[in-house]
Amino acid sequence: DAKTTQPPSMDCAEGRAANLPCNHSTISGNEYVYWYRQIHSQGPQYIIHGLKNNETNEMASLIITEDRKSSTLILPHATLRDTAVYYCIVRVAVLYSGGGADGLTFGKGTHLIIQP
Amino acid sequence: DGGITQSPKYLFRKEGQNVTLSCEQNLNHDAMYWYRQDPGQGLRLIYYSQIVNDFQKGDIAEGYSVSREKKESFPLTVTSAQKNPTAFYLCASSTGKNYNSPLHFGNGTRLTVT
Repeated sequence: DAKTTQPPSMDCAEGRAANLPCNHSTISGNEYVYWYRQIHSQGPQYIIHGLKNNETNEMASLIITEDRKSSTLILPHATLRDTAVYYCIVRVAVLYSGGGADGLTFGKGTHLIIQP
Repeated sequence: DGGITQSPKYLFRKEGQNVTLSCEQNLNHDAMYWYRQDPGQGLRLIYYSQIVNDFQKGDIAEGYSVSREKKESFPLTVTSAQKNPTAFYLCASSTGKNYNSPLHFGNGTRLTVT
């Protein structure tokens, strides 16, 4: 899997948009960008993923640059409950003979702290 | 509610003992995974299984063993051969039907070996 680079920590004011950057300059054409977050002592929570188009769901928006070498996760109105470690992951599509793919490779992520 | 259940949440063992961590899912997912997390670190893949009765080693399989006798269950045994077993262990599952399926995680088991 391609490696990703994220800032170790970021602050954001409550109610403002939180923009979390991720660099993945060696991403291949068949690799997706995934975002997860992890609140202390809990399992990671899936947020969103995309290949080359921008994506939006009820939690966040994912903006992928045209060259796919970087992306930004946007939490539109951050709340205190959004304080967590956010992981940006690129995932190669490796098809197992029975269908499916291998697991995700997690780095250290960005510790996002929402300030009241 | 559908989900992934890991039990127990906290587990304590003496050095030299094998210990088995439970992971059950009722999401009807084909693929299941085990990860290990150490303080301040990301997750590292131990084992994964795409289908019943088959599993593959991940990046750090040494000292661990798994079985996949049922679709909904993927227990992990931490053996006495694992040199640093104290860690936070996370189980995950995905549909495995295509290469675009997210992993869904349980809330983990924190294992302490003394």
